[in-house]
Amino acid sequence: KAGVTQTPRYLIKTRGQQVTLSCSPISGHRSVSWYQQTPGQGLQFLFEYFSETQRNKGNFPGRFSGRQFSNSRSEMNVSTLELGDSALYLCASSSQNPGTSAGEQYFGPGTRLTVT
Amino acid sequence: GESVGLHLPTLSVQEGDNSIINCAYSNSASDYFIWYKQESGKGPQFIIDIRSNMDKRQGQRVTVLLNKTVKHLSLQIAATQPGDSAVYFCAEIGGFKTIFGAGTRLFVKA
Repeated sequence: KAGVTQTPRYLIKTRGQQVTLSCSPISGHRSVSWYQQTPGQGLQFLFEYFSETQRNKGNFPGRFSGRQFSNSRSEMNVSTLELGDSALYLCASSSQNPGTSAGEQYFGPGTRLTVT
Repeated sequence: GESVGLHLPTLSVQEGDNSIINCAYSNSASDYFIWYKQESGKGPQFIIDIRSNMDKRQGQRVTVLLNKTVKHLSLQIAATQPGDSAVYFCAEIGGFKTIFGAGTRLFVKA
């Protein structure tokens, strides 16, 4: 099985712009979670989608949004970019319904976003 | 490669020695715990998990211990190898949310 893929791998944007990141989960996985990773804050949960519905959301401002498509692929969008949004954005997929057990998450390689 | 935490706690061990990485978790209601390994330039990789109704679980060269009384989790790596050099994260799962620890950087000296 192919692993979790994320595109693009690297991205440079300027303040005020918006960005869309894409994640393709492992085939058959219906749960997709997004995380932000920075040296200062570590791995922080953004949101989780299951069957096109947002199941949970972390403590990020409304500039961060996401969605999931019927094929389980997911996108996250950040609007009005700030310098502090520079980070590695990781996507993880899971086969299990998080309502019953978290299940093992498989991470993609991440998208490195740099905001200048 | 990617920099995964410039100010992480660091553990340095000699090749062949055993490593113990510790983690304190926050939510006593968390029912599932996972250890991840993250190498430079890669996403976190699952190592081993444990449910809250267990206190020990063993894998290949790794053992996870869970002490719910003090909300403490540890990862033991036997006969540490250079390829074990990475950042290790614990994660606690409760409901729909996964919360990661800050991570520990493991250096293995040859």
